[in-house]
Amino acid sequence: SFDLSQPPSVSVSPGQTASISCSGDKLGDTFASWYQHKPGQSPVLVIYHDYKRPSGIPERFSGSNSGNTATLTISGTQAMDEADYYCQAWDSDIAIFGGGTKLTVL
Amino acid sequence: QLQLQESGPGLLKPSETLSLTCIVSGGSIIDSSFYWGWIRQPPGKGLEWIGSVYYSGTTYYNPSLKSRVTISADASKNQFSLRLTSVTAADTAVYYCSPVIGNAFETWGPGTMLTVSS
Repeated sequence: SFDLSQPPSVSVSPGQTASISCSGDKLGDTFASWYQHKPGQSPVLVIYHDYKRPSGIPERFSGSNSGNTATLTISGTQAMDEADYYCQAWDSDIAIFGGGTKLTVL
Repeated sequence: QLQLQESGPGLLKPSETLSLTCIVSGGSIIDSSFYWGWIRQPPGKGLEWIGSVYYSGTTYYNPSLKSRVTISADASKNQFSLRLTSVTAADTAVYYCSPVIGNAFETWGPGTMLTVSS
């Protein structure tokens, strides 16, 4: 199975755009999902099928996936978006998670 | 709206066997629209997929845990379970259950903490 690599941390100012990358061999050939995880809470799915948003997820969350990289973009980042973010994909029937990225809203 | 609730022992000694249950409400565990997974997060670390079970009973496991893990589904109780043998301190984690819908872990239970300590 392949590995998914994420930057350990990303910082962004309120109102600006945050981008979190997720890299893996031929990741664009499969679907990527993204999860938001705040301390003391359960993870929340924010993007699935590369770019689709579940009901209730704000429009400022968007995703893309091409080549070897999937990207989660948060436009107009808010303080409430500060969290750990994990990408996830499937290698056949094996689920792979990235190592996670801590998003800090300064 | 699917809801899930994990339950487990909380504390185990090294070499003991972990048994966790995920009770599903708001949907049927034998619905072919989705299947079911276990994920864990050790303290200070990232998410780790443990394995999945389909309504048919077919299972898939993380290769790193495969020799110690069994996941099963009980349609009569609308729940699925995780069994992990020979636990060590490295198995200390919050354990979550989730349905897989559209290739994603769509809804997560609140999680149950397991501590392995002598």
